Amino acid sequence: AQSVSQHNHHVILSEAASLELGCNYSYGGTVNLFWYVQYPGQHLQLLLKYFSGDPLVKGIKGFEAEFIKSKFSFNLRKPSVQWSDTAEYFCAVNAGTGRRALTFGSGTRLQVQP
Amino acid sequence: DTGVSQDPRHKITKRGQNVTFRCDPISEHNRLYWYRQTLGQGPEFLTYFQNEAQLEKSRLLSDRFSAERPKGSFSTLEIQRTEQGDSAMYLCASSWLAGETGELFFGEGSRLTVL
Repeated sequence: AQSVSQHNHHVILSEAASLELGCNYSYGGTVNLFWYVQYPGQHLQLLLKYFSGDPLVKGIKGFEAEFIKSKFSFNLRKPSVQWSDTAEYFCAVNAGTGRRALTFGSGTRLQVQP
Repeated sequence: DTGVSQDPRHKITKRGQNVTFRCDPISEHNRLYWYRQTLGQGPEFLTYFQNEAQLEKSRLLSDRFSAERPKGSFSTLEIQRTEQGDSAMYLCASSWLAGETGELFFGEGSRLTVL
């Protein structure tokens, strides 16, 4: 079975600070990896995804994530956060065929202080 | 708006009552998913359909829960004899099979409060 762990439950940063949110998954085969974001009062939106190729993927709003297969990790990064990045961030995984439903982590609540 | 739509957005009910939620996916998407999300947790998978066929159900989906997608378009999720533990946000998502990466497009959810 596939599973996802997000170790940071609540992160508080000041504007312009750098961000790294951890995500580790458990699945032995080929995987597709995702980061979703949920802004206050809004629905889940895709931030970025990895399914093959370059393990460093870039998403919207200056976010990027690096897939490290040997570490089963897919950490999310942003060099300089803004107040508008305040949101909940979810890492998700599914098997490489995409034929299973996504499994989500428990989420990280990011609070950016102006 | 051509996104995933859910109705109602918020439902308050008394324990023991039945409730039904509706989801209209993005029109060209042939896969439809139901998830449940409680406070401080990520979405938990409940079930999904490919066209009208229900292909997978989670162990979370007790006998009181039933989902249908009769014509391969909209879907309904019914909870019978609701319990306080059913209080949660019920999320619907859709995707296009041919994409094969499994990217999901979510609706805004239906929040259930069981008193």
